[in-house]
Amino acid sequence: DSGVTQTPKHLITATGQRVTLRCSPRSGDLSVYWYQQSLDQGLQFLIQYYNGEERAKGNILERFSAQQFPDLHSELNLSSLELGDSALYFCASSVEAGRNSPLHFGNGTRLTVT
Amino acid sequence: GENVEQHPSTLSVQEGDSAVIKCTYSDSASNYFPWYKQELGKRPQLIIDIRSNVGEKKDQRIAVTLNKTAKHFSLHITETQPEDSAVYFCAATLNYGGSQGNLIFGKGTKLSVKP
Repeated sequence: DSGVTQTPKHLITATGQRVTLRCSPRSGDLSVYWYQQSLDQGLQFLIQYYNGEERAKGNILERFSAQQFPDLHSELNLSSLELGDSALYFCASSVEAGRNSPLHFGNGTRLTVT
Repeated sequence: GENVEQHPSTLSVQEGDSAVIKCTYSDSASNYFPWYKQELGKRPQLIIDIRSNVGEKKDQRIAVTLNKTAKHFSLHITETQPEDSAVYFCAATLNYGGSQGNLIFGKGTKLSVKP
């Protein structure tokens, strides 16, 4: 167990809908990262937060947004969903904002858009 | 932009043989290189990492080597076992601008170990 908690484990929704994925980092970790992994694909970095503030953005669509709350949990909001958004969404956390800090991944949320 | 190239994309070996996965990176300021193992349907798990002040690191059957001059690093698995079958990802840190410290991942290598 990595200590990173993601909910829900599975999510099935229809095109055009909006969903929220939730992540609680490991105790003591200040930085949260979101990654998208499509079928047989690598890990695409979406966005990073550190201690409540956005730190870096990757290939995140405008339809997607995220935030990190004062208690350090994070939510990833996906709106106007399309079939191509079906993927595994991983949250990871680290002690620092990158810089030689290992990332610890949660078990992911599998999103299926029908 | 900065990226990490990983080869091969698939690798099949016989149980007991060695497996080598290679990665190259473009950001000369990268200083941290972790390797993750991802079993089917599960989360990526850190198996070994190396920092730029070290050329080699070993942990039982797993070793990682780093050549900073050539900007490449490799994962070596000896005496492979069927449970080593998984997708392996290499990664390197970005060290510029607002993305400082973020990890960029290679596209992964699917390792199959045949009994």
